[in-house]
Amino acid sequence: QQQVKQSPQSLIVQKGGISIINCAYENTAFDYFPWYQQFPGKGPALLIAIRPDVSEKKEGRFTISFNKSAKQFSLHIMDSQPGDSATYFCAASTGKTSGSRLTFGEGTQLTVNP
Amino acid sequence: GAVVSQHPSWVICKSGTSVKIECRSLDFQATTMFWYRQFPKQSLMLMATSNEGSKATYEQGVEKDKFLINHASLTLSTLTVTSAHPEDSSFYICSASLQGYGYTFGSGTRLTVV
Repeated sequence: QQQVKQSPQSLIVQKGGISIINCAYENTAFDYFPWYQQFPGKGPALLIAIRPDVSEKKEGRFTISFNKSAKQFSLHIMDSQPGDSATYFCAASTGKTSGSRLTFGEGTQLTVNP
Repeated sequence: GAVVSQHPSWVICKSGTSVKIECRSLDFQATTMFWYRQFPKQSLMLMATSNEGSKATYEQGVEKDKFLINHASLTLSTLTVTSAHPEDSSFYICSASLQGYGYTFGSGTRLTVV
């Protein structure tokens, strides 16, 4: 019940294309859904996060779509650039509770070809 | 924004010695700190959760006597890998959280035990 399932495992898109990564969860107590970007040898960096009271959040080229009834959320990267090539992790937590852990997806290796 | 400083960024040590990794929240007082381990091309594995002034809570399968965590203040947590062996070689990442404000990750420490 604590798992977050992420797909695809790897993704290759052309420069300027749209990258879409999907995640699904089971625990309905989750109330905070962040996406992280990780470059090799670095720690994860927060890209964008959403709470379940909204269905979509956009920040620049990054958009989270959230479907509470389906218990799914996705990351859309518009106008993908070679610099976006990295590993992306979705995560979930009961974020309002102090000390609650993040449950991570398995990660998606994104490659954006020039 | 919230910044977490992790040091060292990489360390090589001899088998049987101990290594200490520091994690500091620079501009906020972290309610909770988390320590993760990450193997190549895999997701982050939570090792332990610590609150200031309290004993760390270790995940199942993590040896608490081998991975010593000290959270002496709201801005500093340390992970000491005791009697390190080659199988302890990995990428270790800390994260700090402040209730209601999300999670910030350190830049990670690459540990190589020779």
